[in-house]
Amino acid sequence: SQKIEQNSEALNIQEGKTATLTCNYTNYSPAYLQWYRQDPGRGPVFLLLIRENEKEKRKERLKVTFDTTLKQSLFHITASQPADSATYLCAPFKAAGNKLTFGGGTRVLVKP
Amino acid sequence: DTGVSQNPRHKITKRGQNVTFRCDPISEHNRLYWYRQTLGQGPEFLTYFQNEAQLEKSRLLSDRFSAERPKGSFSTLEIQRTEQGDSAMYLCASSLDRVGVNYGYTFGSGTRLTVV
Repeated sequence: SQKIEQNSEALNIQEGKTATLTCNYTNYSPAYLQWYRQDPGRGPVFLLLIRENEKEKRKERLKVTFDTTLKQSLFHITASQPADSATYLCAPFKAAGNKLTFGGGTRVLVKP
Repeated sequence: DTGVSQNPRHKITKRGQNVTFRCDPISEHNRLYWYRQTLGQGPEFLTYFQNEAQLEKSRLLSDRFSAERPKGSFSTLEIQRTEQGDSAMYLCASSLDRVGVNYGYTFGSGTRLTVV
């Protein structure tokens, strides 16, 4: 069955540095991948969608890559700020209209 | 539109009781999803609707769970004979599904269920 892995250990990072999160998947070949941010006690918030032919997507200080050979997506937060502290979830999926299956999420803590 | 609304925000119930949660999606969205999330885990899919039709239900979902979306608007999720293992955050999300287009989900703030 398909498996989505995100680093379950929290990522502690100093303000101003770049945080890099990984999302690895096995046993299927998604054509799209979404990233979400989730704050404690709140629902996830959609951040970015990347397609398999895009390789890289940017939105403000966020950058996402999608390597279908490695079966991996990287999520970067550049010039990190304490307000970026949250849990980040990835959700690879095969086709438009598919329901999303989420990874376990990685918690990021940005220290001032 | 104020986004996806879920009620109640918190529910404490005794084991064996029935509970019902409500979700009001974004009005233009034709899809509605229910997820369950426990501490430290990602959201786990339960079921989803396209308009009023329930298109898929997780095989992990027991018969004690039922969801409805009458008239393709709001949705309810009912859990009968609650068990302590049902304690979790129940998340509702909606999205606009169009052929060839991908949109992200809009989630509500969830209903936190505690079964004592």
